[in-house]
Amino acid sequence: GQNIDQPTEMTATEGAIVQINCTYQTSGFNGLFWYQQHAGEAPTFLSYNVLDGLEEKGRFSSFLSRSKGYSYLLLKELQMKDSASYLCAVRDSNYQLIWGAGTKLIIKP
Amino acid sequence: ETGVTQTPRHLVMGMTNKKSLKCEQHLGHNAMYWYKQSAKKPLELMFVYSLEERVENNSVPSRFSPECPNSSHLFLHLHTLQPEDSALYLCASSQDVGAGANVLTFGAGSRLTVL
Repeated sequence: GQNIDQPTEMTATEGAIVQINCTYQTSGFNGLFWYQQHAGEAPTFLSYNVLDGLEEKGRFSSFLSRSKGYSYLLLKELQMKDSASYLCAVRDSNYQLIWGAGTKLIIKP
Repeated sequence: ETGVTQTPRHLVMGMTNKKSLKCEQHLGHNAMYWYKQSAKKPLELMFVYSLEERVENNSVPSRFSPECPNSSHLFLHLHTLQPEDSALYLCASSQDVGAGANVLTFGAGSRLTVL
């Protein structure tokens, strides 16, 4: 079967750096997405990786290794507003999105 | 108004009630989706519409009935639901389906509680 694994919950300190990992086993691969979802709000698109390597976008970066079935989302200079759930999703060979259960990130002062 | 709008934001219903969830997108997208989001579980895709035609129905019970009258509006009609149907129902849209469905734009969801 197809599966996405990510930690259920993580805690980090304001101003620090946190890395949220995502591993996947899917039937084929056509890209990996990260979404951010604040409590009670819509998930919003953060990043898309289809080739190996690091994509940087401001304080957020996303890394992909297709051979290892692995991605991470790196958040730098954490702010309280970064407290949210982070959803990893992979598009398989049929262009179906397979979702992880999300990682709840708690930022402490 | 821009983006994807869902109403109502909160809904409480008994198992014998009939209600509907509404979704509207102002992005000119061709594809619309219904997802179910339960606590600590992955998003579950329920239905996909492309240009008002249903292209996917993921073994969803018949007590959920979708309707897409045009490419901007999507409804989810609910009847004789079960308590386990309590969840957040998310609507999303994308430019197209398949290879053209790069980024999904989600609504804020309708929080459904079935008593």
